[in-house]
Amino acid sequence: GNSVTQMEGPVTLSEEAFLTINCTYTATGYPSLFWYVQYPGEGLQLLLKATKADDKGSNKGFEATYRKETTSFHLEKGSVQVSDSAVYFCALSGTYKYIFGTGTRLKVLA
Amino acid sequence: EAGVVQSPRYKIIEKKQPVAFWCNPISGHNTLYWYLQNLGQGPELLIRYENEEAVDDSQLPKDRFSAERLKGVDSTLKIQPAELGDSAVYLCASSLIEGDEQYFGPGTRLTVT
Repeated sequence: GNSVTQMEGPVTLSEEAFLTINCTYTATGYPSLFWYVQYPGEGLQLLLKATKADDKGSNKGFEATYRKETTSFHLEKGSVQVSDSAVYFCALSGTYKYIFGTGTRLKVLA
Repeated sequence: EAGVVQSPRYKIIEKKQPVAFWCNPISGHNTLYWYLQNLGQGPELLIRYENEEAVDDSQLPKDRFSAERLKGVDSTLKIQPAELGDSAVYLCASSLIEGDEQYFGPGTRLTVT
């Protein structure tokens, strides 16, 4: 069946550091891939998405590229800010199933 | 445009009591999801509606959980009777079409004592 695997957190970085959060998936067919972010006390909100291979999703300085050959959708940001501290979820949508990873907590220190 | 609305935000009940959660999705969104989120975990689907029809309730513990979406708009999720293990955050989300990006409400944090 479909599945999503994320790197375990927490990830602690200094402000302006480079961020990578790994996400790999298993799916039949051609799923859409998403990154959601959850700030403390709030619901999840979409950060970016990609719907086909080689697509790059981007938003608020974050990027992720849909790599079918490596079944990956790693999240990157060149320079993180304290306000980026949150939990990040990788997700896929395929064959009427929407599956979330377990989340990676990011803490950015000033 | 108003987002997904959920109530209550917090609920504390004793085990064996009933509890209900309410969700109002974004206007025009046909697909509605209820998720369970345990601490440190991602959301896990309980039930998905397309309009008023429950099209995926395979993960809903039907012995104690029930849900409805009358008229294909608002939805209610009920637990009766609640157990200690039901303590979690219950999230509601909606999307314009199935498989598309989802819009989440703030969730209801349930504590069963």
